Amino acid sequence: DTAVSQTPKYLVTQMGNDKSIKCEQNLGHDTMYWYKQDSKKFLKIMFSYNNKELIINETVPNRFSPKSPDKAHLNLHINSLELGDSAVYFCASSQDLVTVNTGELFFGEGSRLTVL
Amino acid sequence: GQNIDQPTEMTATEGAIVQINCTYQTSGFNGLFWYQQHAGEAPTFLSYNVLDGLEEKGRFSSFLSRSKGYSYLLLKELQMKDSASYLCAVMDSNYQLIWGAGTKLIIKP
Repeated sequence: DTAVSQTPKYLVTQMGNDKSIKCEQNLGHDTMYWYKQDSKKFLKIMFSYNNKELIINETVPNRFSPKSPDKAHLNLHINSLELGDSAVYFCASSQDLVTVNTGELFFGEGSRLTVL
Repeated sequence: GQNIDQPTEMTATEGAIVQINCTYQTSGFNGLFWYQQHAGEAPTFLSYNVLDGLEEKGRFSSFLSRSKGYSYLLLKELQMKDSASYLCAVMDSNYQLIWGAGTKLIIKP
């Protein structure tokens, strides 16, 4: 079984559309994240979600909104897509918010979003 | 500001040893991590250093010097499957991970 799974793996859409990416983890972890990896390969944290507490990176536009129906799921909704949103989006999870002990994040396979 | 610097690309020969360096400037320090990312795949955890010194794990070792803001990842007995990007990340005082852009390692026969 895949530990962290996200769908779809590829998404091509037009500017102005609204899209969602789903993420599920079966590790029993308390914390989930969304990262954006742009063409320069930097991984940038977008959101972290722990026990119903959402921590938002203030640089993330409010067109992006995470939704968590339960601890095992954290979906990403994007409204009014722009060309600059094209990137690979990674979902990840960790045992808890403070990953000092192991530093281990478990990543999904990524969702490559292309906005035309 | 906070930044993580590592070389963009390195090339090495199968069976050899390679050292990938990482320097950092962050607001506080709660550990440094190395992740491996194969092209088109997710990053996977390799190592964690919070105290100065060398941590060895099989063919991979990671070194940390907090006073110098410096780490390296040492890969021995290189195999073709080691061709990947290696990401350095530092956890700052707010327990946020700050990521480098990664070093693309190319292994040649």
